Amino acid sequence: DIQMTQSPSSLSAAVGDTVSISCRASQSVTNFLNWYQQKPGKAPKVLIHAVFRLQSGVPSRFSGSGSGTDFTLTISNLQPEDFATYYCQQSYNIPITFGQGTRLEIK
Amino acid sequence: QVQLVESGGGVVQPGRSLRLSCEASGFTFTNYTFHWVRQAPGKGLEWVTLMSSDGSHKLYADSVKGRFTISRDSSKSTLYLQMNSLRPEDTALYYCAREVETTTNWFDPWGQGTPVTVSS
Repeated sequence: DIQMTQSPSSLSAAVGDTVSISCRASQSVTNFLNWYQQKPGKAPKVLIHAVFRLQSGVPSRFSGSGSGTDFTLTISNLQPEDFATYYCQQSYNIPITFGQGTRLEIK
Repeated sequence: QVQLVESGGGVVQPGRSLRLSCEASGFTFTNYTFHWVRQAPGKGLEWVTLMSSDGSHKLYADSVKGRFTISRDSSKSTLYLQMNSLRPEDTALYYCAREVETTTNWFDPWGQGTPVTVSS
């Protein structure tokens, strides 16, 4: 199984800040790397697929980068609605695996 | 609009069975691969199983293999998860998700989830 490791596990930031979340795969997932946002009591929602492709309707302050085993989700100019938990996901191999999540909290 | 709605969750004793349903609407059901993903209370996301668009491929996480079965009724645009020999560690919110595939693949949308509690 491909292990996905996110860091940090939690993050505190202020509105207007820029933050980055790292996701490392235990082996190459090429570009089969997606990012999801989950708010309390809600289902996950895809933000970015294929490393950097923004899902329709997602604000451009979200961006993704990386390749192979190392990936980054960057959120610029944080807005109040961005405080949530973020998960990376590899869809390269079965079993599909997720990172453990990064909880983004308001400072 | 494109929507998935799960149902069938509940409280069940260890060793018993439960069947979850996921009704799809707003798109052609048989064009897509579907997945079940679960989330234990306060924990992260765990992939459980998938069924391919033609229904011919079914794959399972090791943690549920031999106990859970994915199936579908295309005439009802509904996906099912039959869960047998339930264990306390199966307690989770169960989501169904549609796989979108281009050159890569991702999950969109997800249903709202249906809760399963396994407890005596």
